[in-house]
Amino acid sequence: GNSVTQMEGPVTLSEEAFLTINCTYTATGYPSLFWYVQYPGEGLQLLLKATKADDKGSNKGFEATYRKETTSFHLEKGSVQVSDSAVYFCALPKAAGNKLTFGGGTRVLVKP
Amino acid sequence: ETGVTQSPTHLIKTRGQQVTLRCSSQSGHNTVSWYQQALGQGPQFIFQYYREEENGRGNFPPRFSGLQFPNYSSELNVNALELDDSALYLCASSLSGGANYGYTFGSGTRLTVV
Repeated sequence: GNSVTQMEGPVTLSEEAFLTINCTYTATGYPSLFWYVQYPGEGLQLLLKATKADDKGSNKGFEATYRKETTSFHLEKGSVQVSDSAVYFCALPKAAGNKLTFGGGTRVLVKP
Repeated sequence: ETGVTQSPTHLIKTRGQQVTLRCSSQSGHNTVSWYQQALGQGPQFIFQYYREEENGRGNFPPRFSGLQFPNYSSELNVNALELDDSALYLCASSLSGGANYGYTFGSGTRLTVV
């Protein structure tokens, strides 16, 4: 079935640094791909998504491009803020389509 | 438009007890999925309900059960609690059963089993 692998954290950055979180996927067909974010003590929020190859999802300064040739969906932000400190999850639907499968999460800590 | 609300936010139970967690789906959403998130891990799919019927189940034992009501709210019941059931339980709603559309998550219920 479909699965995702994302880089392990924690990732510690200074404010205004460039952030990349790697995510690669294995999938049958071309499912939608998602990034979710979990702030401390909260549930998951949808950060961005892409529904087909070469699509770029973007939100709050974050971007990710659906790369079919490298089976990747890396998350990037050009200048992080302290408020971006959170855990980020890459996700995609299972082959049956009725559940999301998540990566293990990447904790990001941005220091002032 | 209200989001997904879960209750209670925190709960402490003793091993062997039973627990019921509640979830109100986002307005207009007819599908509810439940996830278990152990500390430091990604969410694991428990099951999904669509129009009051179970619509898929993950690798969880039968002591994890659920209900969905006509207003699309849902309950997760766990019997014979074990220490390893300690986790954040997340409810997610969507407009249809298809995960390609993405889900709206609640803030979760933090269950501690002692």
